[in-house]
Amino acid sequence: GAGVSQSPRYKVAKRGQDVALRCDPISGHVSLFWYQQALGQGPEFLTYFQNEAQLDKSGLPSDRFFAERPEGSVSTLKIQRTQQEDSAVYLCASSPIGVNTIYFGEGSWLTVV
Amino acid sequence: EDQVTQSPEALRLQEGESSSLNCSYTVSGLRGLFWYRQDPGKGPEFLFTLYSAGEEKEKERLKATLTKKESFLHITAPKPEDSATYLCAVRDSGGSNYKLTFGKGTLLTVNP
Repeated sequence: GAGVSQSPRYKVAKRGQDVALRCDPISGHVSLFWYQQALGQGPEFLTYFQNEAQLDKSGLPSDRFFAERPEGSVSTLKIQRTQQEDSAVYLCASSPIGVNTIYFGEGSWLTVV
Repeated sequence: EDQVTQSPEALRLQEGESSSLNCSYTVSGLRGLFWYRQDPGKGPEFLFTLYSAGEEKEKERLKATLTKKESFLHITAPKPEDSATYLCAVRDSGGSNYKLTFGKGTLLTVNP
């Protein structure tokens, strides 16, 4: 499809396990964002890439969270040593340069047990 | 710091009963105010962007309006398929002008 694609859609991780969430942005979109959405809350900003450069990682909750976009297209959000408080929906979004609209994927639902 | 407050948290309407959702915001300078629709288990779906006070945009039964401090999403003669969470977000014109700051959303239920 032509939209933002995320995988896996659902992930159950045992506490302490490492997880990796993948995002395929819309082709040609320079900007890529990761957001975290807890149940009943609005999305909260985690990090921002312009091409392969991570320009803002101020929203990452701890040093267990790491994001990369090595070739300026696909991005991976990695969470090390998962904790129960990491349970949330992780949303990826992308935007073309010079356009003020951000398009979201369906999200990756992470449950830590 | 940018702030977005949405009210009410939840709204129940009968089919055909028009109403409005509110989004109050605080930004140093507004680069855009955004409305998204989010269905259960889905990502936010873009609806509108508003840029300046007095601006209005329409799409089917939805109309978004903007003042200097708030935005309204008016729903005219809603149908059950309009049931969803409606999210408001702002983008400021300052140093972090790429990120969206969201409210908590309004959960709209339209009963047949």
